[in-house]
Amino acid sequence: EPEVTQTPSHQVTQMGQEVILRCVPISNHLYFYWYRQILGQKVEFLVSFYNNEISEKSEIFDDQFSVERPDGSNFTLKIRSTKLEDSAMYFCASSEDRPMNTEAFFGQGTRLTVV
Amino acid sequence: AQTVTQSQPEMSVQEAETVTLSCTYDTSESDYYLFWYKQPPSRQMILVIRQEAYKQQNATENRFSVNFQKAAKSFSLKISDSQLGDAAMYFCAYRSALETSGSRLTFGEGTQLTVNP
Repeated sequence: EPEVTQTPSHQVTQMGQEVILRCVPISNHLYFYWYRQILGQKVEFLVSFYNNEISEKSEIFDDQFSVERPDGSNFTLKIRSTKLEDSAMYFCASSEDRPMNTEAFFGQGTRLTVV
Repeated sequence: AQTVTQSQPEMSVQEAETVTLSCTYDTSESDYYLFWYKQPPSRQMILVIRQEAYKQQNATENRFSVNFQKAAKSFSLKISDSQLGDAAMYFCAYRSALETSGSRLTFGEGTQLTVNP
């Protein structure tokens, strides 16, 4: 069964460093998302992406964050200068069609630890 | 803004028994979707069940069913004949049906379900 895959499963980085989290959405999906979950807190929406541009972003998704679909398969989240509070689980998701009609499929997450 | 609340941080159930997980939400919209996602130790979030707000009939997927009370803004998940593999964190989530409201999911805090043999 097709699935969303994320790499790496765990990333440790020093404060101030740039980090790129990678996702391979399901191949025929058109909508892509990033969510994060700080330990002990709710899963929070970061950004959605469609047709090579951001379609929606939350107040969390500030200038430190960017997303890109560099080729036909990968979808990346970049954090330019990591802070301690960026430590969280980051989930990528994708959906096939208009989000109103279909559900999102999630990857297994990348645990980011900023030290 | 919409909010989703799960007031049970932890629940436990005996294998083969039935358990109900609670979820309430707040919205001013009339058309929306509600979901239950399961997150096992593997961490991947898996869709369990989905309910469209315009449908009066409660959704059912095998051993999983919901009790959707639109007026009360309540959306509980019932798991029948619980199995060891049902042990996971369960998240309730809301999504607007309005295209102008975007496609984001709003999640509750989660309920950790333990299944005892």
